[in-house]
Amino acid sequence: ETGVTQSPTHLIKTRGQQVTLRCSSQSGHNTVSWYQQALGQGPQFIFQYYREEENGRGNFPPRFSGLQFPNYSSELNVNALELDDSALYLCASSSPGVRLGLGTDTQYFGPGTRLTVL
Amino acid sequence: QKEVEQDPGPLSVPEGAIVSLNCTYSNSAFQYFMWYRQYSRKGPELLMYTYSSGNKEDGRFTAQVDKSSKYISLFIRDSQPSDSATYLCAMSARVRGETSGSRLTFGEGTQLTVNP
Repeated sequence: ETGVTQSPTHLIKTRGQQVTLRCSSQSGHNTVSWYQQALGQGPQFIFQYYREEENGRGNFPPRFSGLQFPNYSSELNVNALELDDSALYLCASSSPGVRLGLGTDTQYFGPGTRLTVL
Repeated sequence: QKEVEQDPGPLSVPEGAIVSLNCTYSNSAFQYFMWYRQYSRKGPELLMYTYSSGNKEDGRFTAQVDKSSKYISLFIRDSQPSDSATYLCAMSARVRGETSGSRLTFGEGTQLTVNP
């Protein structure tokens, strides 16, 4: 187990609704990245938060937004849900102090939140 | 065209077999290469990583990177039923302006089953 926790585990919403997913990072980590993993696909990078600021964003529309709090936990918010938003949402925490040794940070993933949009 | 291509399988082998998993990529800026293992209903866990070209061995696992061919591999020796999982290759490049960590670009994963 990585120490990264996510809530809720499962969520069912209807099209057009809004959802908030939560992530607690591993102790000592100040960076949280969010990924979307559709069924049978690899995770896709949504965005990353470092010290409460967005620090890079993937190819996702503005209705995907996030926050990072002073304790480095994070939220992912999705507005105007669409059927294609159904996926496993993963958060990963990391820290510049926990490097692979060559310039990139080890990212530790949580178990994910499975979102179903009906 | 996807930046990272990975054969989704499924791949089914008998216990004790040598397993070869592969990914190709198109972005020459990738310099960090990782393999993650994902069990059903779990998040990915880091298995192996390699920087630039070369080989790395860890127990029954060997990771290879050939940057000239834009091709990476993971070999599993003496495969066990507990190795049954989805294996994801992932890559990253430092992106200008991003001050911490790197975004990972994943392949779609290969589902592996090792039969007793």
